Order: sequence, then structure tokens, then C-alpha cells
Amino acid sequence: DGGITQSPKYLFRKEGQNVTLSCEQNLNHDAMYWYRQDPGQGLRLIYYSQIVNDFQKGDIAEGYSVSREKKESFPLTVTSAQKNPTAFYLCASSISTEAFFGQGTRLTVV
Amino acid sequence: EDQVTQSPEALRLQEGESSSLNCSYTVSGLRGLFWYRQDPGKGPEFLFTLYSAGEEKEKERLKATLTKKESFLHITAPKPEDSATYLCAVQSDNYGQNFVFGPGTRLSVLP
Repeated sequence: DGGITQSPKYLFRKEGQNVTLSCEQNLNHDAMYWYRQDPGQGLRLIYYSQIVNDFQKGDIAEGYSVSREKKESFPLTVTSAQKNPTAFYLCASSISTEAFFGQGTRLTVV
Repeated sequence: EDQVTQSPEALRLQEGESSSLNCSYTVSGLRGLFWYRQDPGKGPEFLFTLYSAGEEKEKERLKATLTKKESFLHITAPKPEDSATYLCAVQSDNYGQNFVFGPGTRLSVLP
């Protein structure tokens, strides 16, 4: 089945730790995105990538980093510089128009 | 700057009671408007894409329409399983292939 796989589904981070969220797609889409979702707010763009080895900051990139070494993979690292990382993180991919989403990773700081 | 607003914030309907959700947008050069359904703790599920004013799309009990300033998602005779958050998003000339999302409408359909 084609789709987008995010892992893990739940992730707990201690203060001062970096954590990496995985996103893999087998849809052969060029564009991939990371969004953050907080209660009562719309999705906010963290980073996006239109092509392998290239990515751009979105509206709330501070405290996050990404890489795009393969077309299928777009991992997101939440660094210790992100002061309020508790949120629901969504990865998406697109070939030109509509985006398709993974099932999300819920990150909690403990 | 592109903006997307949605109303109402939350809507409660009785089963069978039809209604509409609104998505208003301010963009420079609309490339597409998208509707998604999101269940709690899950990723958004794609429903419709609309490209130009006057366009309509239908799927089961849902019908999406588009004007130059807003889109409506009409729900006819809803069932409890239609309960979800409905998100609207736009693509525009300002942001190329990126999407600007509205905050969503939480729909509850009571049996």
C-alpha cells in the first residue's frame, strides 16, 4: 500500500534532549513537509523540501532541523533549543497539488 | 499575507440535520483550495480540491463549493460517523507549493 509512515506514534522527551521523528513515503512524491499542530490552532509549517538535498524553513523553524538525503525520507529533529516542543507533529507529501498526511507523532516533554 | 479562517469553531448537529461549514480566504492568486477531515489523534484525510469559483465536488454526504472569497462544505443528513474536525487549506502564488491551513471546525453529530 502506498502512503506516508510516521514513527513513533508517541514520543517522550526529557529536558535538554534532542529527539528525531521519522517520516517515510512510498508515493514517489517530490515535496515533503513537516507541520506542528497545537490544540485550537491550524497546522503551522516547520520545514519543507521540494527536492532531495534541499529544504527551506517554514514559519516556525526555530529549534528544529531536518535532512533530505533520500526522496522517500524526511526526518525531523526537535532540538533542546525548542522551548515548547509538546505538540502533535504531522508529516505530509505532495506531487503538486493536494498533500497527503501521515498519522502523526505526539511528542511530550517529561 | 495569505489568511484562512473557518467558522463556526464548533458545531453540534442532530443526526439528519443538514448544515454548512465555512472557509473564508484572502490570498494572492489562488492555486487550489483543499478540504480535509481529521479524526482525534490521526492525520488529516484528504477530501476535496477546488480550483476555480463555481466549482463543486461531492462525496457521499459531503459537497464542497467555491466562490472567489470562500468555500462551503455542505453536510447533508449527517450521521454520527461524520463527527470530526474539518480543515480547509489553500495554495497560492505567494507560497508556491506550500499550504496555509485554517484552524478547523469541530463537528459533532449526535444520534
